[in-house]
Amino acid sequence: TQLLEQSPQFLSIQEGENLTVYCNSSSVFSSLQWYRQEPGEGPVLLVTVVTGGEVKKLKRLTFQFGDARKDSSLHITAAQPGDTGLYLCAGASGYALNFGKGTSLLVTP
Amino acid sequence: DTAVSQTPKYLVTQMGNDKSIKCEQNLGHDTMYWYKQDSKKFLKIMFSYNNKELIINETVPNRFSPKSPDKAHLNLHINSLELGDSAVYFCASSQAPASYEQYFGPGTRLTVT
Repeated sequence: TQLLEQSPQFLSIQEGENLTVYCNSSSVFSSLQWYRQEPGEGPVLLVTVVTGGEVKKLKRLTFQFGDARKDSSLHITAAQPGDTGLYLCAGASGYALNFGKGTSLLVTP
Repeated sequence: DTAVSQTPKYLVTQMGNDKSIKCEQNLGHDTMYWYKQDSKKFLKIMFSYNNKELIINETVPNRFSPKSPDKAHLNLHINSLELGDSAVYFCASSQAPASYEQYFGPGTRLTVT
């Protein structure tokens, strides 16, 4: 199992603030996915990045895949309470998706 | 119309019992998975089937046995339940293994007392 380290583990911010979540590994992944999980539900895919250096935007969320395909970041601009949830990165290697331990984000009004 | 469904949603049982969790997907996907999410929210792959063939069998106790009667179903049977088995179990499916988007079910919260 290839480990993915996410930081920070917990993040509590106020509405309107910006934040960045990091996902790091010593392993190279063929692709990396970001999921968001809300309480009592399963994770839902936000984005898949495939190419080293790739940047993808999803409204106020910006995802970047590291040049060496070992790390990724998620930046949220002007966070809203609806962004609250558990953010999980997952690296694809072989048949498996290896998940990070997640970043729990709380955005308060 | 639910894409990936699991039953039951909650399962409370005593140590030593045997229980099953069922999963069905109506997405026409070839690959299905079982994950375990512990109390610290760590999501760990347990098993994966592709076209009814077992392709991932992580280091889990052999008390856990998956069974895929067809491509749309993947069930998980657990024998002799232990306290440490308490967790949320997620079923997921994807078009093909790993790199493709995985669709998760709502989870089954298993509590062993």
